[in-house]
Amino acid sequence: DAGITQSPRHKVTETGTPVTLRCHQTENHRYMYWYRQDPGHGLRLIHYSYGVKDTDKGEVSDGYSVSRSKTEDFLLTLESATSSQTSVYFCAISRRGVDTGELFFGEGSRLTVL
Amino acid sequence: GESVGLHLPTLSVQEGDNSIINCAYSNSASDYFIWYKQESGKGPQFIIDIRSNMDKRQGQRVTVLLNKTVKHLSLQIAATQPGDSAVYFCAENILQGAQKLVFGQGTRLTINP
Repeated sequence: DAGITQSPRHKVTETGTPVTLRCHQTENHRYMYWYRQDPGHGLRLIHYSYGVKDTDKGEVSDGYSVSRSKTEDFLLTLESATSSQTSVYFCAISRRGVDTGELFFGEGSRLTVL
Repeated sequence: GESVGLHLPTLSVQEGDNSIINCAYSNSASDYFIWYKQESGKGPQFIIDIRSNMDKRQGQRVTVLLNKTVKHLSLQIAATQPGDSAVYFCAENILQGAQKLVFGQGTRLTINP
């Protein structure tokens, strides 16, 4: 979706290194989300944000931190990457408000931790 | 622990037939149920949603049915086309007033010519 971009799209890193994934939106929406997708687990919520500097944990937040210093950017940081964090990470925005189930997802960032 | 290597449930249908994809959800308090479609290499795409106070909702070629008694959700796709080949996920919103979605594992739909 053109209104939401993720970077990098692919990254290979080594265990113990820090990694930051960026989600950028051009539409000024309040709610933003980070999910990870793994075989056998579907998509699982890591963290979400409901405004600048307002964030909350999802179901798999251990080992991850987030920051939202401005509306358009939501950063996901792995302070010390582990092999279990090898996954595809998706950012999503809520365009139509939280009274719907409709999220718009980015194209994903594939992270491999060796 | 990680369930690496588990295969998705799969459904194969003939082109032109109707498809029914089923999903069981877990939280009786969930207020919204949603179906997403994910094509290979792309992010999930919203298809249709239904509120917990409804039993049925129709869209273009798709119908979602909700049975709260048995906590079951289904997606019906009419006249399935090759472009419908994808993985389909159901999701439930577990927190009213926010969008905290819990996704199922997904079902891979394959269309046979």
